[in-house]
Amino acid sequence: GENVEQHPSTLSVQEGDSAVIKCTYSDSASNYFPWYKQELGKRPQLIIDIRSNVGEKKDQRIAVTLNKTAKHFSLHITETQPEDSAVYFCAAAGGGNKLTFGTGTQLKVEL
Amino acid sequence: NAGVTQTPKFQVLKTGQSMTLQCAQDMNHEYMSWYRQDPGMGLRLIHYSVGAGITDQGEVPNGYNVSRSTTEDFPLRLLSAAPSQTSVYFCASSYFLGAALGELFFGEGSRLTVL
Repeated sequence: GENVEQHPSTLSVQEGDSAVIKCTYSDSASNYFPWYKQELGKRPQLIIDIRSNVGEKKDQRIAVTLNKTAKHFSLHITETQPEDSAVYFCAAAGGGNKLTFGTGTQLKVEL
Repeated sequence: NAGVTQTPKFQVLKTGQSMTLQCAQDMNHEYMSWYRQDPGMGLRLIHYSVGAGITDQGEVPNGYNVSRSTTEDFPLRLLSAAPSQTSVYFCASSYFLGAALGELFFGEGSRLTVL
C-alpha cells in the first residue's frame, strides 16, 4: 500500500518568515495530494490540494508543488502569521481511493 | 447542512465491551471513511466505503467492523474493546470528481478511552 513520509515533525518560524513542509510517497499510481490543517482540539480541514496533472498550485499565501518523478510534494506558506500555528498533514490517494496521511508537522509561528 | 455528525463525542469503555460510533452526513457524499488519530502517528484509515452496500479495509481494520446500508450513515463497531483502541476517531466523507476522490469533510471526532 501507499506510504507517506512527512518532514519535519516540528517547525518553528518567526512571524513573517516562510515555512516549508515536505512529503514523499511510495505509490507511483497516486494522483491526488491534499494538505490539511488541524488546530488544537479541532477537526482537520483542507487548505489546498493538487492533482498529478499539475506541478504547482497557489492560493494566496499558500502554495503546493509536486514532483511526480521524485515522488515528493511540498507545502509552502509565505508571510506566516500566528494563526498559521497548527498541525499540518499531507496525504496521497491513488486509484484505490484510499487516502493515506503523513504523520503531521507541528508548525509554531512565533511573534 | 449539518455536514458530518459523529456521536458520541466522548466514551469510556472497559476492556471487552463493545460499542458503535455513529456517523451521518447530509451532503449526499458517496465516499465515507473512518480514521483514528494517535499522537505522532497521523491519521490512519480503518475502513472506507465508496457507496451504499460497499465497504473495504484500510490500514488498521483489525478489531473494527463497518456497514453501509444507506448513503447517509456509516457506523463503526468495536467488537471487543482493547486498551490499544484508545484514540480519537474521525469520520470523513467526500464526493467523487469523475473517478477521483475530492475533499474530505471531517466530523468533530470521538474520543474513546478503553480501560
